[in-house]
Amino acid sequence: ETGVTQSPTHLIKTRGQQVTLRCSSQSGHNTVSWYQQALGQGPQFIFQYYREEENGRGNFPPRFSGLQFPNYSSELNVNALELDDSALYLCASSLSSNYGYTFGSGTRLTVV
Amino acid sequence: GNSVTQMEGPVTLSEEAFLTINCTYTATGYPSLFWYVQYPGEGLQLLLKATKADDKGSNKGFEATYRKETTSFHLEKGSVQVSDSAVYFCALVDNAGNMLTFGGGTRLMVKP
Repeated sequence: ETGVTQSPTHLIKTRGQQVTLRCSSQSGHNTVSWYQQALGQGPQFIFQYYREEENGRGNFPPRFSGLQFPNYSSELNVNALELDDSALYLCASSLSSNYGYTFGSGTRLTVV
Repeated sequence: GNSVTQMEGPVTLSEEAFLTINCTYTATGYPSLFWYVQYPGEGLQLLLKATKADDKGSNKGFEATYRKETTSFHLEKGSVQVSDSAVYFCALVDNAGNMLTFGGGTRLMVKP
């Protein structure tokens, strides 16, 4: 079975720009969630999608938005980038929360 | 809200030493508990999990027991190897099952 794949692996953007990060879920997983991991810290929950509907959101502003597609792949969009948005963005998929989440290798975003 | 507290690192051990990384949590109800490991430049890998009180999760020589009376899920390994050097994250999912809450991570360095 394929795992969770994220693209791109690295990205450099300028403050004020917009960015789209992509994630392909593990085969058979219907739930996808996104996390932001700042350097030296634990991941922070951004939001989660279940069967194309957002069913949970962390403490992030509305300029962080997302989509889940019928094949359960997902996008994270961030508008009006700020320097503090520089982080590793992790996508995770699951069949159910108790089963555990499978993480991708992440996208390293640098905002300059 | 939910929270996870881990002992701060780095933890530096010699090969074959005994490892304990402390983890305590605050959550309503009966959360599921996880340990994830992150190797340099990579995403998170699920190491082990426990879904109810007194459960013991184990994998690759690591183990942790879900202690509801002390709200703890300490990670242990009897004999560490250099290849165990990584950052370890304790995490929980509450009854709503919508998000993982992570601790801040503990860096383990194992010297030959």
